[in-house]
Amino acid sequence: QQQVKQSPQSLIVQKGGISIINCAYENTAFDYFPWYQQFPGKGPALLIAIRPDVSEKKEGRFTISFNKSAKQFSLHIMDSQPGDSATYFCAASMPGNQFYFGTGTSLTVIP
Amino acid sequence: DVKVTQSSRYLVKRTGEKVFLECVQDMDHENMFWYRQDPGLGLRLIYFSYDVKMKEKGDIPEGYSVSREKKERFSLILESASTNQTSMYLCASRGGGGGQPQHFGDGTRLSIL
Repeated sequence: QQQVKQSPQSLIVQKGGISIINCAYENTAFDYFPWYQQFPGKGPALLIAIRPDVSEKKEGRFTISFNKSAKQFSLHIMDSQPGDSATYFCAASMPGNQFYFGTGTSLTVIP
Repeated sequence: DVKVTQSSRYLVKRTGEKVFLECVQDMDHENMFWYRQDPGLGLRLIYFSYDVKMKEKGDIPEGYSVSREKKERFSLILESASTNQTSMYLCASRGGGGGQPQHFGDGTRLSIL
């Protein structure tokens, strides 16, 4: 059973637009929610992460919005650029070790 | 910066061979992980280790084993490679405590012929 559900599977956005990727989870024991960015031929790299005690975290053009009651969190990429074209993974973890990853979103930003 | 190094970027092996994938991290992390990545399936956990000589099965351990003799090194072993094990394999490490990210290597693309 997929612990973290991610949508959409693929996304095409015009340069300068806003990219939005959504994730949902069921296990309320999760306490850490990172987003990873992966370019072709490279491993996933941490982009931004949030704990459930805050509803939003912003780093540059990247923002995580977190809705604890709905058990959903999303990644917003403002002013999307062609260099943002990559695969994005959300994840969730609980105290301990294992991370649960979404299935990924392939983002293409058109110039 | 954390560095996770996987010994091979590309590997081609034959069905039935015993295959070793090696991973080394330089940050003295307690926890190390092996995933396989397939299109549409995301990252699936094969095995992880939270200490030297300790291992735990992940979601898809069948056909794989692991070895962790030293803290910095975590090996994935395909006992008898099969074509359905053709995939991208990713290693990750993570420090102890809550709220710590996993740090990934650049992967090994393994083809079993």
